[in-house]
Amino acid sequence: DAKTTQPPSMDCAEGRAANLPCNHSTISGNEYVYWYRQIHSQGPQYIIHGLKNNETNEMASLIITEDRKSSTLILPHATLRDTAVYYCIVRVRGTNAGKSTFGDGTTLTVKP
Amino acid sequence: GAVVSQHPSRVICKSGTSVKIECRSLDFQATTMFWYRQFPKKSLMLMATSNEGSKATYEQGVEKDKFLINHASLTLSTLTVTSAHPEDSSFYICSASGGTGTALRGNQPQHFGDGTRLSIL
Repeated sequence: DAKTTQPPSMDCAEGRAANLPCNHSTISGNEYVYWYRQIHSQGPQYIIHGLKNNETNEMASLIITEDRKSSTLILPHATLRDTAVYYCIVRVRGTNAGKSTFGDGTTLTVKP
Repeated sequence: GAVVSQHPSRVICKSGTSVKIECRSLDFQATTMFWYRQFPKKSLMLMATSNEGSKATYEQGVEKDKFLINHASLTLSTLTVTSAHPEDSSFYICSASGGTGTALRGNQPQHFGDGTRLSIL
């Protein structure tokens, strides 16, 4: 699986958009980009994933660059409960794909 | 949505005890589950891949005789920490891929349990 690089920490004001970047310059054509977050002392929570098109769901938006070498997770209106460690992962698709390699992630702190 | 249940959430026991952790997929079948370990303020480290009906695949450096994995059904995988010692104290997390009412597809996200905090005295 391709390696990802994320900034170690970011702050965001409550109510503002949080934009979390991720570099995955060695991504290959059959790898998806997944985002998870982990709130303290809990298991990771799935947020969103995509291949090459931008994606949006009830939690967030995922913007993937045209060359697929980087992506940005957008939380449109951050709340205090969005404070967590956010992980960007690239993973090969396949019938039993599921093995994920976690990097250090970005610790997002949402401030009042 | 897909739910993975992990039990127990917390275990405190004496050194030398064996501890079993269960991971269940509640509304989907998972031929493959994954076990991770996490130290304080660190990222998740994959320990092993649990395969239904066959032997688990362990990552390099993980002792298979210390961490026994059994995946006897499509909805249950267990991790047994044998003869646990204080250095085995950690946060253990399982995951599975799948979705409600759908067969396993290659791009399905992983769903994680809430983890088991193991403390060996």
